[in-house]
Amino acid sequence: KAGVTQTPRYLIKTRGQQVTLSCSPISGHRSVSWYQQTPGQGLQFLFEYFSETQRNKGNFPGRFSGRQFSNSRSEMNVSTLELGDSALYLCASSLEGRQGTDTQYFGPGTRLTVL
Amino acid sequence: AQKITQTQPGMFVQEKEAVTLDCTYDTSDQSYGLFWYKQPSSGEMIFLIYQGSYDEQNATEGRYSLNFQKARKSANLVISASQLGDSAMYFCAMREGNTGGFKTIFGAGTRLFVKA
Repeated sequence: KAGVTQTPRYLIKTRGQQVTLSCSPISGHRSVSWYQQTPGQGLQFLFEYFSETQRNKGNFPGRFSGRQFSNSRSEMNVSTLELGDSALYLCASSLEGRQGTDTQYFGPGTRLTVL
Repeated sequence: AQKITQTQPGMFVQEKEAVTLDCTYDTSDQSYGLFWYKQPSSGEMIFLIYQGSYDEQNATEGRYSLNFQKARKSANLVISASQLGDSAMYFCAMREGNTGGFKTIFGAGTRLFVKA
């Protein structure tokens, strides 16, 4: 079974631009979560989607948004990029998400650099 | 507030020896999951082991075992017979929530160096 895939793997943008990152979960997984990883803040939860609905959201500004499609693929968008948005963005999927004990499997990440 | 604490920023271990990575957590929920992930320099988070809050037995997965002490709110990872390929960042994580939404919080991580 194929793992979680994320595209693109690397991105370079300039301040003020917007960016869209994509995540394809493991086949059969319906829950997709996004995380931001930076050296200073570590791993921080962005949001979780299940059945095309955002179920939970972390403490990030409204410039960060996402969505999930009927095939469980997910995208996240960051508008008006700032230098501090430079990070590794990780996507994780889990089977159903009904129980908090579902194991999340991560993709390889998208490394975003904002200049 | 939910919190994960990993007090060891870095650890050294000799190849073939065992090592314990510490993790304590704080939550008021009764149902939660505890996880350990490995992150090599490539960046990908690799799932290692899981322990449910209601599990009475400590979890084991090959060379990995989780020393779960619920009353002390600790979930230490034990790696037996360390290998050079075990050199990486290790994150302890807790997943909690309900059908209204789940989130996973991570500790700051422990960087493990395995010496030949």
